[in-house]
Amino acid sequence: GDSVTQMEGPVTLSEEAFLTINCTYTATGYPSLFWYVQYPGEGLQLLLKATKADDKGSNKGFEATYRKETTSFHLEKGSVQVSDSAVYFCALTPFYNQGGKLIFGQGTELSVKP
Amino acid sequence: NAGVTQTPKFQVLKTGQSMTLQCAQDMNHNSMYWYRQDPGMGLRLIYYSASEGTTDKGEVPNGYNVSRLNKREFSLRLESAAPSQTSVYFCASSGVTGLSILLSAFFGQGTRLTVV
Repeated sequence: GDSVTQMEGPVTLSEEAFLTINCTYTATGYPSLFWYVQYPGEGLQLLLKATKADDKGSNKGFEATYRKETTSFHLEKGSVQVSDSAVYFCALTPFYNQGGKLIFGQGTELSVKP
Repeated sequence: NAGVTQTPKFQVLKTGQSMTLQCAQDMNHNSMYWYRQDPGMGLRLIYYSASEGTTDKGEVPNGYNVSRLNKREFSLRLESAAPSQTSVYFCASSGVTGLSILLSAFFGQGTRLTVV
């Protein structure tokens, strides 16, 4: 079945460091890919998405490119801030789109120190 | 604009007790979902409803039932709570554009449930 694998956390960075969180997927066809962010005590918020191969999603300085050849959707940010501390989830919606359900990776906790 | 509203936010149950988690959305979305979040496992789909009047099992449906009461509301019921159901539960909804393009899901704030 379809699945998502993320790099394990926690990831600890200093402010202004470069961030990469790896995400790879297994899926039939062309799924839609997402990154969600969960701040402490809150629900999940959509960070960015890409719906076809070579699309780049971007938001708030974060970027991720849909790579069909490597089945990857790595999240990057050039300069992280303390306010970026959160848990990040990579997810996909299967191309057959059974009601739009999401399949999530296990989440990666990011902690940014001043 | 409230988005997706879940109640309650916190709940402690004794083993064997029952309860219903409530969820309502005000975005006129067709699809609604219940997920549970456990440490190191991400979010797993319990049940979903692709449209009013339909419900389907997700990855981990055992021990749960759902009701799509109307387009706005989707409830999750635990008939006989077990410690293994201690988790954070999230309700979500999603819709489509006029061109039938799926919109991204919106999540509620979560319900933290502890079964003792």
